[in-house]
Amino acid sequence: AQTVTQSQPEMSVQEAETVTLSCTYDTSESDYYLFWYKQPPSRQMILVIRQEAYKQQNATENRFSVNFQKAAKSFSLKISDSQLGDAAMYFCAYKGGGSNYKLTFGKGTLLTVNP
Amino acid sequence: KAGVTQTPRYLIKTRGQQVTLSCSPISGHRSVSWYQQTPGQGLQFLFEYFSETQRNKGNFPGRFSGRQFSNSRSEMNVSTLELGDSALYLCASSTDIVETQYFGPGTRLLVL
Repeated sequence: AQTVTQSQPEMSVQEAETVTLSCTYDTSESDYYLFWYKQPPSRQMILVIRQEAYKQQNATENRFSVNFQKAAKSFSLKISDSQLGDAAMYFCAYKGGGSNYKLTFGKGTLLTVNP
Repeated sequence: KAGVTQTPRYLIKTRGQQVTLSCSPISGHRSVSWYQQTPGQGLQFLFEYFSETQRNKGNFPGRFSGRQFSNSRSEMNVSTLELGDSALYLCASSTDIVETQYFGPGTRLLVL
């Protein structure tokens, strides 16, 4: 079974600074997808970024980028120029290829942004 | 395009009752998945439907069931509620299995 581990329960960053959230996963599949979702206090789960395992290039979305290390099974999220609105719980998630339709989530990292 | 909608947003029930939660996916999305979120267990997959067929099911007792209608709207039902069923229930939709899942705002269920 696939597992996703987020080793940092909490992180904090100063506004305008950069922070990196860690995620590792375990799988025997070669074809899969990785995601970062954020969940602010409203509890709405919002997609931040997606990475296909077959793509060597790291995904980026504006201030958000990932460092995808397939061999190490590592998928970290870098937030640049942090803003107060980035404060949220961040979840790393894995979705297998083939007939595995579910998302497997890590426990989450609570990010605090200090003004 | 409107996002995923879930009703009701909040619900209070007592032990032994049953509850039905509803999810309307993004227009054009045919896959609907349900997740349970609790402080202790985190986010856990309940089941996924595509074109009215359940394609995958998580590790939950038979008290948890669901269905999908021809318009892709989905409902999940929990019978004989237990205190441990108190949770945030999230619905997510996607166009198909390889596509990104987009989440609704959730239904917060409290069982007393």
